[in-house]
Amino acid sequence: QQQVKQSPQSLIVQKGGISIINCAYENTAFDYFPWYQQFPGKGPALLIAIRPDVSEKKEGRFTISFNKSAKQFSLHIMDSQPGDSATYFCAASEAGRRALTFGSGTRLQVQP
Amino acid sequence: DGGITQSPKYLFRKEGQNVTLSCEQNLNHDAMYWYRQDPGQGLRLIYYSQIVNDFQKGDIAEGYSVSREKKESFPLTVTSAQKNPTAFYLCASRRGLSRASGANVLTFGAGSRLTVL
Repeated sequence: QQQVKQSPQSLIVQKGGISIINCAYENTAFDYFPWYQQFPGKGPALLIAIRPDVSEKKEGRFTISFNKSAKQFSLHIMDSQPGDSATYFCAASEAGRRALTFGSGTRLQVQP
Repeated sequence: DGGITQSPKYLFRKEGQNVTLSCEQNLNHDAMYWYRQDPGQGLRLIYYSQIVNDFQKGDIAEGYSVSREKKESFPLTVTSAQKNPTAFYLCASRRGLSRASGANVLTFGAGSRLTVL
């Protein structure tokens, strides 16, 4: 049972372009939606997170857009750089519940 | 520096052998987790522990076992019953389960790659 669906599986963007990764969830009890960034051979690291009481959160070049009625959220990377090339995972969890449920991941390649 | 240490980084196992992956954290976090990562499948939860001497099965616990005798340590044993153990294994910890700022953040180790020969 896949509770968080992520797309696309892979993405190629030119340097300076906008990278957009989408996720959809089914469990309406989810109330925490983070994005994690993972470089090859490393563990994932928290990039940015949002709660459903806001529709957008921005940190530098990274923005989460959240649509509660559609049960969708997305990550936008503005002015994408080659150093952003990594795998990105969306995730979701319920308050006080066991663990994060992760999406299947998106491998982003930013070409110079 | 505070963090999570996983060892070994690479491990090779013959079929029928049990192997144990180590996970140690010095973050004073209460909760610890084991995830398995396979290409195109994201991270799947194997086991988790919220307090010492207590742990629960995740979504894919069959063929795995864990212990939590100390707050800092959460080793994972991959048993011979696990039919397809070749994967990248990630250990993580979290400060707590409240909605307080930062409590939800998972901190991951660098992972252990297990290959069955």
